[in-house]
This record gives sequence, C-alpha cells and structure tokens, in this order.
Amino acid sequence: NAGVTQTPKFRILKIGQSMTLQCTQDMNHNYMYWYRQDPGMGLKLIYYSVGAGITDKGEVPNGYNVSRSTTEDFPLRLELAAPSQTSVYFCASASGGLYEQYFGPGTRLTVT
Amino acid sequence: AQSVTQPDIHITVSEGASLELRCNYSYGATPYLFWYVQSPGQGLQLLLKYFSGDTLVQGIKGFEAEFKRSQSSFNLRKPSVHWSDAAEYFCAVVTTSGTYKYIFGTGTRLKVLA
Repeated sequence: NAGVTQTPKFRILKIGQSMTLQCTQDMNHNYMYWYRQDPGMGLKLIYYSVGAGITDKGEVPNGYNVSRSTTEDFPLRLELAAPSQTSVYFCASASGGLYEQYFGPGTRLTVT
Repeated sequence: AQSVTQPDIHITVSEGASLELRCNYSYGATPYLFWYVQSPGQGLQLLLKYFSGDTLVQGIKGFEAEFKRSQSSFNLRKPSVHWSDAAEYFCAVVTTSGTYKYIFGTGTRLKVLA
C-alpha cells in the first residue's frame, strides 16, 4: 500500500496563477481532508469529504475549491494564488470520523 | 468553542531524560483526544488516542498519555527520550457535533541533546 500520496512535493507560483494539488489514497477510506500548516499555527482544516460526491468547508476554505469524484482522489484547487496561501499543505484520509487519520508527505507551496 | 492549547512551543531535553508535553483542551462533552508526531519533512503519524475507559493510554514508540478530566488535560509522557524522538508533537481533539473534525493544537517542537 502506498497510503496517501501527494503531488507535487514543491511548487512556486506567481500571484494570480492557479494550480491543483493532487491527493490519492489507496486504503478505500471514505473520509478525506485537506489541511494547511503555517509555522506556529498548527494545522487548519481547509475542506473535507465524507465520501465520493460529498464535500464541505473546514475552518479556512476561502481561496480554495475541492472535488471528490472518486473514493481515491481528493484534489485541492487554488484559482487565484495569493501570498497568504504560501504554506505546507497536507492531505489525510480516514476510515471514519473518529478513526486515525493517515497523512500524506505534504506539498510545500510558495506564492510570490 | 472547542480548542486545544499546547503551552510549550519548544522543549529541549537530554537523551535519556524523561519527557512531558502538555496539552489542554476545551470541550463540553467527553472528548476524543489524540497525539500525533511529525518528523521533519514528513506528514503526521498517530502516537496514541483516548476515547474512554482507562485514563492512562499507551502508544507507539514508548509514549503514554494521561487523561485528566478535572484539569482538562491530556499530557504526553515518555520515561526516557531517544535522539530519534526529536520532532514536532501535536495534540488534537475531535469535535462530535455534526461531522467529526479534528482541532489541532499549535504543536510542541522537541529537541533532544546528545
């Protein structure tokens, strides 16, 4: 099992560009999450999904969009990149809401 | 609102010394509590969790944590720290109103001196 994979590992964007962060899990988990991690701030939930076709906002959704067309994939879309979106992004999955979350290795994004 | 506080941003201990990382939560009902560890450049890995029952829970890598309802705390401990324990540690509580979601603390970065 690969677990949770994320691509790319690193990316530099210019202000106003768009990009999609990819996340795939091979554990057949229903729950998937996107977090951002800023220094000294812990992890903040951006969006989450409890199954294919179902997504909902987390704590900091502004500037992001998600979709969940399959159980395995949960891409995160940045439409108009801003410097405030410079962060490390983690995708995670779980078999249920109270179960252990499995994290991907992260994507380090810089917007300049 | 639910919240998690980790009062220590950085902690430095010598290898072989004991360790305690503090975590305080704010939650009205019985909390579901977790400790995760993040090694440099990696994602988070679960160390242990508390749902109910015995208030002292054992985890991986020799870690344990004690749930104290009266103090709203869930402190992480290890009797003897190894150099490989240097990492960042996150406490989290799961909200159970509506869809379950994690609320993470801001983390404690552990440095281990040889």
